[in-house]
Amino acid sequence: DVKVTQSSRYLVKRTGEKVFLECVQDMDHENMFWYRQDPGLGLRLIYFSYDVKMKEKGDIPEGYSVSREKKERFSLILESASTNQTSMYLCASRDRGPMNTEAFFGQGTRLTVV
Amino acid sequence: AQTVTQSQPEMSVQEAETVTLSCTYDTSESDYYLFWYKQPPSRQMILVIRQEAYKQQNATENRFSVNFQKAAKSFSLKISDSQLGDAAMYFCAYRSLNTGFQKLVFGTGTRLLVSP
Repeated sequence: DVKVTQSSRYLVKRTGEKVFLECVQDMDHENMFWYRQDPGLGLRLIYFSYDVKMKEKGDIPEGYSVSREKKERFSLILESASTNQTSMYLCASRDRGPMNTEAFFGQGTRLTVV
Repeated sequence: AQTVTQSQPEMSVQEAETVTLSCTYDTSESDYYLFWYKQPPSRQMILVIRQEAYKQQNATENRFSVNFQKAAKSFSLKISDSQLGDAAMYFCAYRSLNTGFQKLVFGTGTRLLVSP
């Protein structure tokens, strides 16, 4: 079974802290994604990566950065956490190619910034 | 840019009955995929069903089927013989085949409640 694992299910951080959310996949997928999920807004793409050290901004990249040093690991970084970044964060991965349709998701990290 | 709209924030159904969740989307492209994802309380997003836009035949997966109307840009999900385990958030999603890295564009979700 494909597995996408996020390092924490729940996280509480203080305003101004630097926060790292980690995601690891075990299927050798090229593409990895970070989404933010908020009630009434659905899932919005923050960043994605199509290869090691490669990244592209999604729809809401402000206040975030990412790192992909190894193929299996994709990290989301909140440089200086703010209360408006309190949200659910979902990581996903998918194999390369237009015909590989299914994206696999982690179980989410619920981040609270106080 | 593509958009996906789910106009029903919440739907209710009784066990064994049938429910239909609505989804519309906006795109100028002709080649794309559409998906329904389920997110139960465990938060693990699970793919329910997919539809290739070039296929006229509606996709089915056991009790789940879609009504794909390409001209109307409509993609509804029908759940037959509803079960308690179907209670979840359901997200409709779109993926282009022409755009660079084929990201998923999601709707805002429909919460499905199932009562005994």
